[in-house]
Amino acid sequence: DQQVKQNSPSLSVQEGRISILNCDYTNSMFDYFLWYKKYPAEGPTFLISISSIKDKNEDGRFTVFLNKSAKHLSLHIVPSQPGDSAVYFCAASVGGAQKLVFGQGTRLTINP
Amino acid sequence: EAQVTQNPRYLITVTGKKLTVTCSQNMNHEYMSWYRQDPGLGLRQIYYSMNVEVTDKGDVPEGYKVSRKEKRNFPLILESPSPNQTSLYFCASTRRNTDTQYFGPGTRLTVL
Repeated sequence: DQQVKQNSPSLSVQEGRISILNCDYTNSMFDYFLWYKKYPAEGPTFLISISSIKDKNEDGRFTVFLNKSAKHLSLHIVPSQPGDSAVYFCAASVGGAQKLVFGQGTRLTINP
Repeated sequence: EAQVTQNPRYLITVTGKKLTVTCSQNMNHEYMSWYRQDPGLGLRQIYYSMNVEVTDKGDVPEGYKVSRKEKRNFPLILESPSPNQTSLYFCASTRRNTDTQYFGPGTRLTVL
């Protein structure tokens, strides 16, 4: 039972354009959501998070949107850069970052 | 430098031969976790620890053991490895009531 789903295994975007990565969840108890970025041969690194009391959080080129009624969150990257090419995981938890449930990941490729 | 370290980074072993993957963090974090990453499944939590001598099962604990005798170390033990434990393993740590988990670089395990 996959509680957090990323239905797009891969996404290809042109440099300078917007990248939109999507994530759906089924557990309505989740109250904290995170995005991680992973390069090959490295561990995931934290990118941005959002609490369920908010519907948007922004950090530089990265914005996360949360739609609680649809149980959906998305990560927007504007503008996309070649260094953004990586696998992106969304994750969710109840009550903090200690016990995370991850999605399957989306491989983002930024083309010059 | 704040970091989570894992050893070994790569390991090929045979069915039934006990092995230990070490994990150490230098950030004085209370929480530590082990995850495995498999294609199409994302990261799944194996075990986590909320402090010294306090551990609990994650989503896929079967076939694994952990111990937390010191705050900085959280080894993962496979008493009798099987081929279905071939995977990429990540250790992570986080401070209580904070945003994110910090991940180690990963250990790629192959069980023949």
